[in-house]
Amino acid sequence: GNSVTQMEGPVTLSEEAFLTINCTYTATGYPSLFWYVQYPGEGLQLLLKATKADDKGSNKGFEATYRKETTSFHLEKGSVQVSDSAVYFCALSVRPPGIQGAQKLVFGQGTRLTINP
Amino acid sequence: DVKVTQSSRYLVKRTGEKVFLECVQDMDHENMFWYRQDPGLGLRLIYFSYDVKMKEKGDIPEGYSVSREKKERFSLILESASTNQTSMYLCASSLAGEQYFGPGTRLTVT
Repeated sequence: GNSVTQMEGPVTLSEEAFLTINCTYTATGYPSLFWYVQYPGEGLQLLLKATKADDKGSNKGFEATYRKETTSFHLEKGSVQVSDSAVYFCALSVRPPGIQGAQKLVFGQGTRLTINP
Repeated sequence: DVKVTQSSRYLVKRTGEKVFLECVQDMDHENMFWYRQDPGLGLRLIYFSYDVKMKEKGDIPEGYSVSREKKERFSLILESASTNQTSMYLCASSLAGEQYFGPGTRLTVT
């Protein structure tokens, strides 16, 4: 089946530290991969995505590379800020058989990140 | 910008009540989704809809039903609320792949 496994949280770092949040997946076919972020009291927002192997998604200083050989999509940022404190979700999209266009997302369990000043 | 709105941010209901959660999107998206979010479990798909009046069960449909009478609106119904349905409920819409989420409704069933 399709599944996503994320690094266990919570993760606590100091401002300007390097961030890695690990994400690995199991999927049939060739999924698209996503990172979503949820700030306190809000819904999820798309942070970045990659649609094929070796693609690199990037946004707001965050990056993730679609690695087919290791089935991974690790999130990285070189220097985190207090405002990056949030819950981060890795997800993959799959298309249910027979239903055109209705791609579902399968989420990891989320990783809570806290950045201290 | 895509906008997905949900009818309430916070809701408190009693056990056995019928509960309606409403979601509206303004981008003419074909697909809409209802999830629940619980600590340590991430997001779990309850139901989704890929067209008006069409619906498909997600991973945890038990105790829930949905209605999609118009393209922009997708309703989640708890026929008889129970305490184990206390959760954060998130609605999303999509055209293909990427989903856009509403702010969520935190439902407490007492």
